[in-house]
Amino acid sequence: GAVVSQHPSWVICKSGTSVKIECRSLDFQATTMFWYRQFPKQSLMLMATSNEGSKATYEQGVEKDKFLINHASLTLSTLTVTSAHPEDSSFYICSALAAANTGELFFGEGSRLTVL
Amino acid sequence: KNEVEQSPQNLTAQEGEFITINCSYSVGISALHWLQQHPGGGIVSLFMLSSGKKKHGRLIATINIQEKHSSLHITASHPRDSAVYICAVQETSGSRLTFGEGTQLTVNP
Repeated sequence: GAVVSQHPSWVICKSGTSVKIECRSLDFQATTMFWYRQFPKQSLMLMATSNEGSKATYEQGVEKDKFLINHASLTLSTLTVTSAHPEDSSFYICSALAAANTGELFFGEGSRLTVL
Repeated sequence: KNEVEQSPQNLTAQEGEFITINCSYSVGISALHWLQQHPGGGIVSLFMLSSGKKKHGRLIATINIQEKHSSLHITASHPRDSAVYICAVQETSGSRLTFGEGTQLTVNP
């Protein structure tokens, strides 16, 4: 089946630094990718929708200058958490919508960010 | 009231039992997804439904569009089925998903 790879799977960083998380569709093209955030014991919350070649659409309450999203190709979207703070510590997950528009979504394994 | 509600929130079963997890939603949808999340956090898409019923191995998913309700069934449950099961609806207005709170399933040997 289709595979979406996220990297890194976990990262620990100091407060004030920036962290980049990559989401790659390995065997299909994804015109649209989604970034989610999940706090412990809670469900996933959509942060933004990333469309290849255009600006991301952010959900209400998500700071676009803090969570930079780039979708430069049909197989790669990146999320950069800028000037990270401890409250940004969370589990970040991406999903990719197959370009064939079957509506199928494929999820990455997630990236656990801990900001010290 | 959440747009997507799951029940139960927690479910403990003995190995071999038949399990049902329910999902109700209040918005218009183009599809409904059942997802499985293991303790490590990774998510696996189990089913995408827009009508009727789908079966994959011991898993069965049904949806009733008129009643805005879906169920996920697990037959002959096994400890390896222990995970969080999440219902998510894909709204008719686009591709974004709205998630339920999840159901924590524990299957004891």
